[in-house]
Amino acid sequence: NAGVMQNPRHLVRRRGQEARLRCSPMKGHSHVYWYRQLPEEGLKFMVYLQKENIIDESGMPKERFSAEFPKEGPSILRIQQVVRGDSAAYFCASSPVTGGYGEQFFGPGTRLTVL
Amino acid sequence: QQQVKQSPQSLIVQKGGISIINCAYENTAFDYFPWYQQFPGKGPALLIAIRPDVSEKKEGRFTISFNKSAKQFSLHIMDSQPGDSATYFCAASEAGNQFYFGTGTSLTVIP
Repeated sequence: NAGVMQNPRHLVRRRGQEARLRCSPMKGHSHVYWYRQLPEEGLKFMVYLQKENIIDESGMPKERFSAEFPKEGPSILRIQQVVRGDSAAYFCASSPVTGGYGEQFFGPGTRLTVL
Repeated sequence: QQQVKQSPQSLIVQKGGISIINCAYENTAFDYFPWYQQFPGKGPALLIAIRPDVSEKKEGRFTISFNKSAKQFSLHIMDSQPGDSATYFCAASEAGNQFYFGTGTSLTVIP
């Protein structure tokens, strides 16, 4: 039973390019959360998705960032026109339930470096 | 605005000692309080969690103490081992939707 998978593990982009981060939840999990972690800081909530729906995107920057979780395939976090301040570790977590204290299982993260 | 405040930022404990990490929150609607352990280069992993209807939960060497009136909760690691050296995050959630994390505590257990 594979855990949460994220790819790529490391991503290097130049300023102005696009970054696409992928997250495959655990089998049977239909809830995905994305977090950003800056060095020496905790995880900051970005967005919570269910299949084909964005439930809560209150932590997402208003511009350049978007997320989706299609009916088929992984969840995608997309960052357009990246800037140096986007350099961080991005983690996704999946959960089988919501509103019921479901444990969030985290992936290994994608470390984005913007040159 | 930091929804969950965590202290200390770093902690050094001798092997066999007790590690104590504290967290405080303001939102009384929070009803789920997990602790996560993170090793370098890895994602956080759930260690132990508590709901506000109990004041303490113990799993092996790890204990959560919860004080609802003070809006505080803490993690106690008994008989700390070098393998416990990691970063620990507390978190809080309302109805399991959005999770708010503390800023983390870097624990070093000295042999």
